[in-house]
Amino acid sequence: AQTVTQSQPEMSVQEAETVTLSCTYDTSENNYYLFWYKQPPSRQMILVIRQEAYKQQNATENRFSVNFQKAAKSFSLKISDSQLGDTAMYFCAFIPFNAGGTSYGKLTFGQGTILTVHP
Amino acid sequence: DVKVTQSSRYLVKRTGEKVFLECVQDMDHENMFWYRQDPGLGLRLIYFSYDVKMKEKGDIPEGYSVSREKKERFSLILESASTNQTSMYLCASSLVKNTEAFFGQGTRLTVV
Repeated sequence: AQTVTQSQPEMSVQEAETVTLSCTYDTSENNYYLFWYKQPPSRQMILVIRQEAYKQQNATENRFSVNFQKAAKSFSLKISDSQLGDTAMYFCAFIPFNAGGTSYGKLTFGQGTILTVHP
Repeated sequence: DVKVTQSSRYLVKRTGEKVFLECVQDMDHENMFWYRQDPGLGLRLIYFSYDVKMKEKGDIPEGYSVSREKKERFSLILESASTNQTSMYLCASSLVKNTEAFFGQGTRLTVV
């Protein structure tokens, strides 16, 4: 069974500062993807960033970057230069894939972290 | 743009009613998922499907069933709605070769 744990129910940050959201996961799979999704008050889930487990280099998307520690099964999200529009709930998620690069099975989510950016 | 459409944004049903939540995607995705979202519990997987007429139980399938007669449509069925099924329901789809999941806007279901 696979699990995803986000231990921070709520976080807050001042505009323009940096914040890090934590995520740990547990799996026996060797090949998988990890994700951070954002859910703003509109409820529409949006993919923020994706990391392939076989890649050692941490993924980066503009102001968003991850710190992926495979041995520790840790996958944190860093948001730099926080903006008011970053206020949302953030979910960490996991899906395994096979040697052919095909995803299969459950797309599993954590409990979510509510991030509030203050002006 | 990929579009995942859920039939209702808000729904109020009575205890014991049979409830259908519909989800349609327009990008020929193989995978489709139904989740429920509750405060403090995140998104919990109810059922998923990787092909027409194929379905797999997720983590909390009790009280739910699903139907996938066509590739683009994945229906969640509450056979006899109960108050503990009051929740936000999210549908998602993805390609098997591309793991990004696209979500509908969610259905907030209230069972009274």
